[in-house]
Amino acid sequence: DGGITQSPKYLFRKEGQNVTLSCEQNLNHDAMYWYRQDPGQGLRLIYYSQIVNDFQKGDIAEGYSVSREKKESFPLTVTSAQKNPTAFYLCASSIGGTTNEKLFFGSGTQLSVL
Amino acid sequence: DQQVKQNSPSLSVQEGRISILNCDYTNSMFDYFLWYKKYPAEGPTFLISISSIKDKNEDGRFTVFLNKSAKHLSLHIVPSQPGDSAVYFCAAWGHGNQFYFGTGTSLTVIP
Repeated sequence: DGGITQSPKYLFRKEGQNVTLSCEQNLNHDAMYWYRQDPGQGLRLIYYSQIVNDFQKGDIAEGYSVSREKKESFPLTVTSAQKNPTAFYLCASSIGGTTNEKLFFGSGTQLSVL
Repeated sequence: DQQVKQNSPSLSVQEGRISILNCDYTNSMFDYFLWYKKYPAEGPTFLISISSIKDKNEDGRFTVFLNKSAKHLSLHIVPSQPGDSAVYFCAAWGHGNQFYFGTGTSLTVIP
């Protein structure tokens, strides 16, 4: 059954700590994305990757880092530089390179600060 | 600057009636528009889409209308059902190979 798996579902971060959110897809998609959702707000793009070993900053990349060493995996690290990390984080993927792209989302990770 | 806007944060509709969710955009270069449905603490799921070369796309109870001259699209749900209660996001694709999302409209269908 193809899809996107995010883990963990819930994550708590202590002040000054880096935490990593996992995202794996078995859809054979080239493009992967990380979004952040805050209450009452839309989805804001953190980072995206259109191909392995390449990624670009989105609108709110400060305090975050990513890697794309494998096509299936796009982990997001929330660093201690991110001063307001509490949010719902969504990973998504799309085929890539088409004119009518469609995003497929994981089930999300809720990150909270202790 | 928000390129895709959903100006109604919430909407309540009686079961069986029509729900109309609206979305406006500013960039005429967008190629493709999508609607997503989202339940709390879950990822959004794709609902329906429309290419910029069309003005209507229908899928069962869901119809999306695109008015390019007004840079406006709308999602019609007929008849509305209680299970349709969720947050609906409008999104646009293009302009640098990115998706641009609106802030969402929370739909409540009253039984």
